[in-house]
Amino acid sequence: DTAVSQTPKYLVTQMGNDKSIKCEQNLGHDTMYWYKQDSKKFLKIMFSYNNKELIINETVPNRFSPKSPDKAHLNLHINSLELGDSAVYFCASSQDGGAGDTEAFFGQGTRLTVV
Amino acid sequence: GENVEQHPSTLSVQEGDSAVIKCTYSDSASNYFPWYKQELGKRPQLIIDIRSNVGEKKDQRIAVTLNKTAKHFSLHITETQPEDSAVYFCAPGYGSNYQLIWGAGTKLIIKP
Repeated sequence: DTAVSQTPKYLVTQMGNDKSIKCEQNLGHDTMYWYKQDSKKFLKIMFSYNNKELIINETVPNRFSPKSPDKAHLNLHINSLELGDSAVYFCASSQDGGAGDTEAFFGQGTRLTVV
Repeated sequence: GENVEQHPSTLSVQEGDSAVIKCTYSDSASNYFPWYKQELGKRPQLIIDIRSNVGEKKDQRIAVTLNKTAKHFSLHITETQPEDSAVYFCAPGYGSNYQLIWGAGTKLIIKP
């Protein structure tokens, strides 16, 4: 009965590779997010989608491309991985329209290590 | 744009004492004021929140107070226990332009 689930939990890959992280929520929420947490624990929003539409697209390299096939899924594809992409990536969902004024539910995180 | 500052960055308290963490924000349109707790290796989880029409909210040992005029809100933990050790984040919501800016986090250490 996991509310927000993302896979994989760990991802180790070489520089230059392309990888994807999948996220699914069964809470019936309209909005989903991708956050990046670096080694200093800063949580920074990357993207948010409301009903499959992109509403927040922060300044991230265009090597990062989110895809939302339906409102329960938000995947993150990363091209040409670089060492600096190493971080923990969290998927989240909320009931609001993307303004962040309701509780956000997080997935378990994906620890990406680029070597 | 929204500017969120959280203080202190690290807080070490004796078990049983109280802890207070403060979050200052800049966008007067913010109307939702949550605190999240992230234990080591785990996901952030909401522990308490408050909306702009309320000044204080309590839930057992934790409380949140809001001063909308001064644009800050605080997390209060009383009778701290070892399981309170974690990183705490504030994340004021409903700022203009849908900016979602999180505080930098406060590492709370509970000394036995």
